[in-house]
Order: sequence, then C-alpha cells, then structure tokens
Amino acid sequence: EDQVTQSPEALRLQEGESSSLNCSYTVSGLRGLFWYRQDPGKGPEFLFTLYSAGEEKEKERLKATLTKKESFLHITAPKPEDSATYLCAVQAVGEQGAQKLVFGQGTRLTINP
Amino acid sequence: DAGITQSPRHKVTETGTPVTLRCHQTENHRYMYWYRQDPGHGLRLIHYSYGVKDTDKGEVSDGYSVSRSKTEDFLLTLESATSSQTSVYFCAISPDRRASLHFGNGTRLTVT
Repeated sequence: EDQVTQSPEALRLQEGESSSLNCSYTVSGLRGLFWYRQDPGKGPEFLFTLYSAGEEKEKERLKATLTKKESFLHITAPKPEDSATYLCAVQAVGEQGAQKLVFGQGTRLTINP
Repeated sequence: DAGITQSPRHKVTETGTPVTLRCHQTENHRYMYWYRQDPGHGLRLIHYSYGVKDTDKGEVSDGYSVSRSKTEDFLLTLESATSSQTSVYFCAISPDRRASLHFGNGTRLTVT
C-alpha cells in the first residue's frame, strides 16, 4: 500500500529564516511525486512534479528535491505570503491512465513578519 | 478557480437525506476526480472518471456514487448522508496521465 508521511505537522518561522519540509514515501513503483500548496478555504495549487531520484525543481523561494525514499521542500528566505499548508503526494495509476494521488497530511507553515 | 466550479460551496443536511455535489469544468479535460479532506487524514480519493460514463472507485468509495454523462460535469452523490461524511469535498481535473491535477475550491458539507 502506498503511503506518504509529512513532517513536521506545523512549522513556524521568522521572515527570512530558511528551512525544509520533509515528505517520506513508500510506493510499489514511483511514477511521480507532487508538491501542492493550499491556502485556507481554497483547493490545492500545484507547485512541482518530480519523477526520479536526484531530480530538483525550483520556483522562486522554493526548491523541491527527491531521493528514493523521501522528498524535501526547501524554503529559502521565506516571506509571510509563503504561509500555507504544503501537501506532498505520490502517484499511483488507475484505469485508462488516470492518476490516483495518495496525499500526506500536510505541513502547516507560518511565516511571521 | 478558472475552469473548474464546484457547487454548492456550502451545504448543511440531515442524516439520511440524499445529497448531490456538482463539479463543472470548462477545460474539456478527460480525467475528473472527487477527493475528501479531513483533519488527520489529508486528501483521500473517493471516485474518479476517465471519460464520459467511465468511472472507477478510489480508496474511500463506500457510501458514494458518481455519474458523468457529459465531459464537463462530474456528480458525486451521497445516497443517504451520515455524520461521518461531514467533510470538505474537492473536485480535480487533468487532461492526461502526466499533467498535474487542477483542483476546485471545494464544497464544505455538514451532516447533522
């Protein structure tokens, strides 16, 4: 059974204080690992997809990395607008190629000014 | 969100009543999904569709049914709502097996 565990559950940082979020996963065969951002009252918003160990993706102050067992979301010099819940998911494949994402419980990130 | 609309946004209903949630897309995407989000469980897949009239179960499908008679609409029905189905329900769409999922803004359902 595919499983995703995210840590920590919540993280509070000062503006400019860099840190990393962890996503550990177990899958029968990784087809893709996804990072999403979710703001209160909104649906998840896509950030990155990683497909193989060693791959890295960057977007503004965020960088996602992938190993064979975990993924990290590094946040460099965060700003208050980076406050959100960050979700990690792994992809299983359903009928006719449909994606069946298995999500972790998320990390709630708060950046204080 | 542009391209995907969920209705209603909020609903309160009583135990035992039927409830239908609607997801409407204007992107002409092939795949559509229903997830529920609960504290302590994260997002869990209920049902998904890979084409008109083609649907399959996710990991938490008991008590739910779906229908897709047109590309743009994917309906989620709770035949007889229970308190355990109180949740936030998200619809998502994607054009193909490689693209990321695009989510709607959710329907908050409360079963009293």
